[in-house]
Amino acid sequence: KNEVEQSPQNLTAQEGEFITINCSYSVGISALHWLQQHPGGGIVSLFMLSSGKKKHGRLIATINIQEKHSSLHITASHPRDSAVYICAGAEGNRDDKIIFGKGTRLHILP
Amino acid sequence: GAVVSQHPSWVICKSGTSVKIECRSLDFQATTMFWYRQFPKQSLMLMATSNEGSKATYEQGVEKDKFLINHASLTLSTLTVTSAHPEDSSFYICSALKRGGGTGELFFGEGSRLTVL
Repeated sequence: KNEVEQSPQNLTAQEGEFITINCSYSVGISALHWLQQHPGGGIVSLFMLSSGKKKHGRLIATINIQEKHSSLHITASHPRDSAVYICAGAEGNRDDKIIFGKGTRLHILP
Repeated sequence: GAVVSQHPSWVICKSGTSVKIECRSLDFQATTMFWYRQFPKQSLMLMATSNEGSKATYEQGVEKDKFLINHASLTLSTLTVTSAHPEDSSFYICSALKRGGGTGELFFGEGSRLTVL
């Protein structure tokens, strides 16, 4: 079992739909990263959070430390949101020990 | 946000040659950088953690002599694939840890696609 699990692995939705990607982890972490990788490879860091909720534009990330669970939400999804979304946990008290989930491949249809 | 630059973005080489990939943090100092490998439609696989001024820490199964990592300055880490073979063809990505109090934040390079003929 991976220490960082994402679901779903693949998600196809219509433009405008509300999207939720989930991340569960089994190890103690000091922070959780949400990353976006577009076709072509470049990776962008969307959020880093250790508690509560963060919002940036149409993206919202939440984390529940007790339940060891984080979610990434996309409101009013758009085809340009199509990408692979990866969650990654900084293990323990170390910010240099990062454990990656396998990613969620999102495809938004126009 | 902070910027991490990788160069080259793509490279084609003949089998048996060595290829060097550079990872630079352009607007911050990074004592720690990471090198990853990614196969098509798969997630990132951490190869090694690069620490400025000391030897890199390699993940299990990654050959140190094959993948040479040098982190000689606070803004530059290099990955050299020595005696490259077609099975080394992959997408290599670096990231740099920006620390500024609290948990460091990760910034990624654009990636380097290596094709070995």
